[in-house]
Amino acid sequence: AQTVTQSQPEMSVQEAETVTLSCTYDTSESDYYLFWYKQPPSRQMILVIRQEAYKQQNATENRFSVNFQKAAKSFSLKISDSQLGDAAMYFCAYRSPGYALNFGKGTSLLVTP
Amino acid sequence: GAGVSQSPSNKVTEKGKDVELRCDPISGHTALYWYRQRLGQGLEFLIYFQGNSAPDKSGLPSDRFSAERTGESVSTLTIQRTQQEDSAVYLCASSLDVLTVNQPQHFGDGTRLSIL
Repeated sequence: AQTVTQSQPEMSVQEAETVTLSCTYDTSESDYYLFWYKQPPSRQMILVIRQEAYKQQNATENRFSVNFQKAAKSFSLKISDSQLGDAAMYFCAYRSPGYALNFGKGTSLLVTP
Repeated sequence: GAGVSQSPSNKVTEKGKDVELRCDPISGHTALYWYRQRLGQGLEFLIYFQGNSAPDKSGLPSDRFSAERTGESVSTLTIQRTQQEDSAVYLCASSLDVLTVNQPQHFGDGTRLSIL
């Protein structure tokens, strides 16, 4: 079974600074995708960024980028120029064909002015 | 519709009662998923439907939980004889299909279920 581990229950960052959230996973599959979702207090899950396992190039979406280390099974999220609106729970998730998303337990991100 | 719609937004019920939670997926999405999120935890997979295929029920925690979906439309998650441990947010998501891994899942706002 695939497992997703987020080892940081809470993180804090000052506005305009950069923060990195960690995620590791365990799988024997070769075809899979990795995702980061953001969940603000409104409860809605918002897709932040995704990475295909076959692509070596790290995905980037504006201020959000990932560091994907396939051999190490690591998938960290970097948020640059942090904004107050970035404060939320962040979930790392894994998905292989024919299966639903497998989530980590989440990291609560606090952004201070 | 424009997004995944879930109802009710909140539900409070007494232990032992049955509850039904509803999910209306994005039009055209053949895959529909149910997840449970306990307080301070990540999302746990419960069940998914893909078109007219038999659903994957591997995440259902007990036989008190069941779900139905008619075609590619609305789904209902039913919890019978509710227990306090069932208190959680129940999230529904849909995607174009379950096999295309790069297709993102679009989530509803969830139903917060509280068992007294």
